[in-house]
Order: sequence, then C-alpha cells, then structure tokens
Amino acid sequence: SAVISQKPSRDICQRGTSLTIQCQVDSQVTMMFWYRQQPGQSLTLIATANQGSEATYESGFVIDKFPISRPNLTFSTLTVSNMSPEDSSIYLCSVDSGRGSYEQYFGPGTRLTVT
Amino acid sequence: QKEVEQDPGPLSVPEGAIVSLNCTYSNSAFQYFMWYRQYSRKGPELLMYTYSSGNKEDGRFTAQVDKSSKYISLFIRDSQPSDSATYLCAMSESRAGKSTFGDGTTLTVKP
Repeated sequence: SAVISQKPSRDICQRGTSLTIQCQVDSQVTMMFWYRQQPGQSLTLIATANQGSEATYESGFVIDKFPISRPNLTFSTLTVSNMSPEDSSIYLCSVDSGRGSYEQYFGPGTRLTVT
Repeated sequence: QKEVEQDPGPLSVPEGAIVSLNCTYSNSAFQYFMWYRQYSRKGPELLMYTYSSGNKEDGRFTAQVDKSSKYISLFIRDSQPSDSATYLCAMSESRAGKSTFGDGTTLTVKP
C-alpha cells in the first residue's frame, strides 16, 4: 500500500487569501487525484494530476481557482485561491498504485475553514 | 439524479449483527465497484473492490455486484464496535478512471 501525508492537516483562513496544500507519497505513482469532501457530503473529484502533464479538471473546477503542481512522482500541491466560505471543506489527495489490481489510497485530508 | 445513490442511514446495530450496506447506480459503463471505510477525521480506506458482477469475500466482509439490477451491496458479518465508521461505495468505468462516490452510510455498532 501507499502511505500518503498531507500538510497542513487543518487551517483557518480569511476570505480572499490562498492556501497551498501539500501531498507527499512514500512511493512513486503515476496518477494523483485531488478530491473535495464538503460537510455531510461525499467526495467530489477536483482534478487528476499526472507527472509531466497539465492537470485535468472536472466540470465545475477551474485552474485559476485550484492550481495544481506535480513536480515529481511522489509530490503534488493543490492551491485554493481567493477563498470564500463556500470553499470550507476537507481536501483529500489520492493516488493510484498503478499496479494491475484496483488500488486507490487516500491521504488523511486537510480540513479547511474559511472565515 | 445522481449517478450513484447510497442508502443514507445512519445505521445502528448491536454487536454481532449482520450489516447490509447498499448502493444503486445508473451508469451501465461502470465496471469497477469499490467499498471504502472512513473513520471520523480520516481519509477513506479501500476495503474491497470487485470487477464486473459477482461476489467477493474477505474475512467478515462480502461484496456483491449485480450489474443487471445496477445494485451493489457490502455485507459485514459478526459486526464489531470497531466497524463503526462511514462506508462509501464508489464506481469507475475503468481501472485508472475517476471514481464516482456515493454519499456514504454511517454505521454504529453498539457493544
């Protein structure tokens, strides 16, 4: 299995500011995903980040609001820009093992509150 | 209408009970069916996945997929208080494709 860490684990930010969330994996992986989990709701995919290519964003999410970097096979960042209270959520990094069987692992999440 | 609908719960059972968690879906292209367990303030943990139809068993957990009915289930036998968590179903069209998640069912197993 892959061990994933995220920083920060939680933060309280003011409206209009930006926060960058880091995701570190203990092994090299091709595919990394960023999800959002709003209170009482399920996971919504924000974007898929493959090393060496631009991130692919899902409908309703744009690069200007959620820029993503993927500088190598073990690390990625998600920035939440110009935050509003509606961005208060848990942000989760996820990776696919890339092996034959289905194996998707999640980080512990970053709990963001925007005031 | 959501692509994936999950029985909302919450569900409360006594220790030792058999638990049934269920999801339905509308996208016939889904091929991979997953169950995740999420403890409070933790990320989801993959419990089991099934490719196409059929059953899969892992210890006290059994996953069932009925593609003809577009219905999946997770059974937990001899439930334990440590099984208390939110269970999420998820589905994907391909092995490396994005997953679509249900809203989760919160289970409490009482000693």
